[in-house]
Amino acid sequence: DQQVKQNSPSLSVQEGRISILNCDYTNSMFDYFLWYKKYPAEGPTFLISISSIKDKNEDGRFTVFLNKSAKHLSLHIVPSQPGDSAVYFCAASARYGGSQGNLIFGKGTKLSVKP
Amino acid sequence: NAGVMQNPRHLVRRRGQEARLRCSPMKGHSHVYWYRQLPEEGLKFMVYLQKENIIDESGMPKERFSAEFPKEGPSILRIQQVVRGDSAAYFCASSPLPDRGDYEQYFGPGTRLTVT
Repeated sequence: DQQVKQNSPSLSVQEGRISILNCDYTNSMFDYFLWYKKYPAEGPTFLISISSIKDKNEDGRFTVFLNKSAKHLSLHIVPSQPGDSAVYFCAASARYGGSQGNLIFGKGTKLSVKP
Repeated sequence: NAGVMQNPRHLVRRRGQEARLRCSPMKGHSHVYWYRQLPEEGLKFMVYLQKENIIDESGMPKERFSAEFPKEGPSILRIQQVVRGDSAAYFCASSPLPDRGDYEQYFGPGTRLTVT
């Protein structure tokens, strides 16, 4: 039973345009959401997070939107750059729901930004 | 400020041998998490430890796997009598005390275990 789903295995975007990566979740106990970026043969790198009390968080070119009623979040990258090409993982945590803070990951979306 | 360190980066073991994976958290971090990533999959939680305590091991296989985070030294993930299905990338993450409001987990580069 996959609690965090990233339904697009891959996404291709032109440099300078917006990249939108999507993530859906099923567990209503999740109250904290994170996005990680991963290059091959490296560990995931933390990008941005959002608490369930917010619906938007912005950090430079990265913005995360949370729609709790739809159990959906998205990561916007604008403008996209070739160096953004990587696999992006959505992760969720139920900090106060007994999971002790461990993260549940989606399967990832591979983003390719073409020059 | 050094990040999360893991060693070895690559480990090859024959079936039946033991694998020991080590993780040193970021300075100032007292919480360690271990995750496993199989090919074409996301990361799967295994175990959460604080110094000298296992907080949550709900993701650990019941047999052959164990983890510790001693008072001194790195956290160790130990896999006894490895089988081919244990071949995966094992990632360690650390985070500061949650009551400081920091919930982000910072990952190490991983150990790639290959069982032949």
